[in-house]
Amino acid sequence: KAGVTQTPRYLIKTRGQQVTLSCSPISGHRSVSWYQQTPGQGLQFLFEYFSETQRNKGNFPGRFSGRQFSNSRSEMNVSTLELGDSALYLCASSSKNGVGELFFGEGSRLTVL
Amino acid sequence: AQRVTQPEKLLSVFKGAPVELKCNYSYSGSPELFWYVQYSRQRLQLLLRHISRESIKGFTADLNKGETSFHLKKPFAQEEDSAMYYCALIGGGGNKLTFGTGTQLKVEL
Repeated sequence: KAGVTQTPRYLIKTRGQQVTLSCSPISGHRSVSWYQQTPGQGLQFLFEYFSETQRNKGNFPGRFSGRQFSNSRSEMNVSTLELGDSALYLCASSSKNGVGELFFGEGSRLTVL
Repeated sequence: AQRVTQPEKLLSVFKGAPVELKCNYSYSGSPELFWYVQYSRQRLQLLLRHISRESIKGFTADLNKGETSFHLKKPFAQEEDSAMYYCALIGGGGNKLTFGTGTQLKVEL
């Protein structure tokens, strides 16, 4: 079974730009969560989607948004990038019955200059 | 608000010595608690969860509601246990995990 796949793996943007990150969950997994990982704040929950609906949301500004498609693939978007958005963005998927059992991708490392 | 505290950023032990990685939590209801591990150059992965009461790779963790703790223990550390360990909790529905800041375990020969 293929694992969670995230693209792109690395990207560099400048302040004010926007970015879209993509996540393909494990086949059959309908829950997709996004986390931001930084050295200062650690792992912070962004949002979770289940069957195309946002089920949970973290404490991030509205510049951070996401969506899930009918095939369970998910994207997250960050608009008007700030230097502080530089981080590793991790996607994780979970089966319907696997609450808390998350399978993580390798992450997308975003650098904002 | 829910919170997970891992007081040690780095824990260094010798091979064969016992290991205890500390985790304390704050949550008003009944949380589900987890330990996740990240080995060098690998993905973050689930190690164990409190409801399963399993021993994984020799590690166990007991939920102590009185002390609001979920410490991870192993009687004899192995070199391959060197990794970053994260304690996490879920309170409420869905998969909204609150992670601690992590403890880097280094097992020395």
